[in-house]
Amino acid sequence: QKEVEQNSGPLSVPEGAIASLNCTYSDRVSQSFFWYRQYSGKSPELIMSIYSNGDKEDGRFTAQLNKASQYVSLLIRDSQPSDSATYLCAVNEGTSYDKVIFGPGTSLSVIP
Amino acid sequence: ETGVTQSPTHLIKTRGQQVTLRCSSQSGHNTVSWYQQALGQGPQFIFQYYREEENGRGNFPPRFSGLQFPNYSSELNVNALELDDSALYLCASSLFGGGPGDTQYFGPGTRLTVL
Repeated sequence: QKEVEQNSGPLSVPEGAIASLNCTYSDRVSQSFFWYRQYSGKSPELIMSIYSNGDKEDGRFTAQLNKASQYVSLLIRDSQPSDSATYLCAVNEGTSYDKVIFGPGTSLSVIP
Repeated sequence: ETGVTQSPTHLIKTRGQQVTLRCSSQSGHNTVSWYQQALGQGPQFIFQYYREEENGRGNFPPRFSGLQFPNYSSELNVNALELDDSALYLCASSLFGGGPGDTQYFGPGTRLTVL
């Protein structure tokens, strides 16, 4: 059973701090990794995708991927109250690019 | 806005009934995936349709079935509804075969409540 695990929440950080969200996956052949943000009662919204080892930055968001350790993370710099949401890590299933497995999500709360 | 639409937005059914949920994919996308998201959990993969054929299925019973039409829109049908079927049903569209990193874009979801 291929699995995606995320650090349990809820995670609380003060406004302006760095929020660190972690994810591990079991499928060694996975090639594509995604972070989605989901506000309460809404559908998931893509924040970042990453396919190669290393860091990928987009504004205040940085995704980090380490395939050897089967680990992917998301850093949010200068956290804002509007970043308060559940963050879902998603990993494609093997070489089937369109089938993804989601983690359970980590709830983030940014305290003003 | 992703361009993926779903209908209806909310639905209330009673146990034993049948329900049909609909999804229109984003323009240019040929693949639709359906997910069930229970409260407090991540989305669980139900099945995927590519060019009108089922292209993979998760651990859901046969009473969950689907269709994809020539315009790539899709339906999810659930028969003999159970209380545990109460969830947010998400449709995601993507372009299969676009290479590594095909990204799925989600519709707003249908909230199903089974009483």
